[in-house]
Amino acid sequence: ETGVTQSPTHLIKTRGQQVTLRCSSQSGHNTVSWYQQALGQGPQFIFQYYREEENGRGNFPPRFSGLQFPNYSSELNVNALELDDSALYLCASSRQGARNEQYFGPGTRLTVT
Amino acid sequence: GENVEQHPSTLSVQEGDSAVIKCTYSDSASNYFPWYKQELGKGPQLIIDIRSNVGEKKDQRIAVTLNKTAKHFSLHITETQPEDSAVYFCAASKGSGYSTLTFGKGTMLLVSP
Repeated sequence: ETGVTQSPTHLIKTRGQQVTLRCSSQSGHNTVSWYQQALGQGPQFIFQYYREEENGRGNFPPRFSGLQFPNYSSELNVNALELDDSALYLCASSRQGARNEQYFGPGTRLTVT
Repeated sequence: GENVEQHPSTLSVQEGDSAVIKCTYSDSASNYFPWYKQELGKGPQLIIDIRSNVGEKKDQRIAVTLNKTAKHFSLHITETQPEDSAVYFCAASKGSGYSTLTFGKGTMLLVSP
C-alpha cells in the first residue's frame, strides 16, 4: 500500500452538477498528478500540480480544474458533469527529482446519472 | 504525443508457468518505463520500472526488458501464482518538464491453480 489517500471512495452525482475529489500525497512527495480511468482502459492523464501550480495538462476541457495546497494535498474539481465523466479518478504522488515515478491512491469511483 | 500499445489484452496461464506481456511506444524521447499491477477495486501498484540506460532489470520473480532501438519493452513473470492474477499496465514517460505517464490499455492475467 502507498501512503496516498483519496476521498471519497464512491460518489454518485447528477448530470450538470459539480464535484470535488480530494487527495493526500505520500510523505516526502511534493507533486500530485490526476488521472481518469474509464472501465476497461488505462489511466489517462488529466493534469499535474507542483508547487501549488498546474504543471501540465492532458486533453481534458477547462471544466476539469484543480488545486494543490501548501501541504501538497490536492483537489480535482469537475463542473457541469456529463455522463461520460463516470470513471475511476486516480491521484498519484511523486517526489522532486523523480516526478515520473508515481505512486497511486485507491481512487474515487464517480458515477454520473 | 506518445502512444503505448500493449499485448495481449488477456493472458491465461497455469500456476508455475511464465507470463510475458509486451508493450511498444512511439516517442523515441521516452526514457522511463514503469509497470503497474491493478487488483479489482484498487489503484495501480508500481511493481517494477526501467530507465532507458538499462536493458534489463529483475526483482525476484519479475523482470523487465527494454529494447530502445525497436521501442518495445516487456514484463516477464516466472513461477506464476494465483495471487499474480490482476490487470497489468505498462506506461512510458519522457521525464522532462511535467512528467506524465502514458499508459497501455492493460493485460488481464489469470493464473489458474
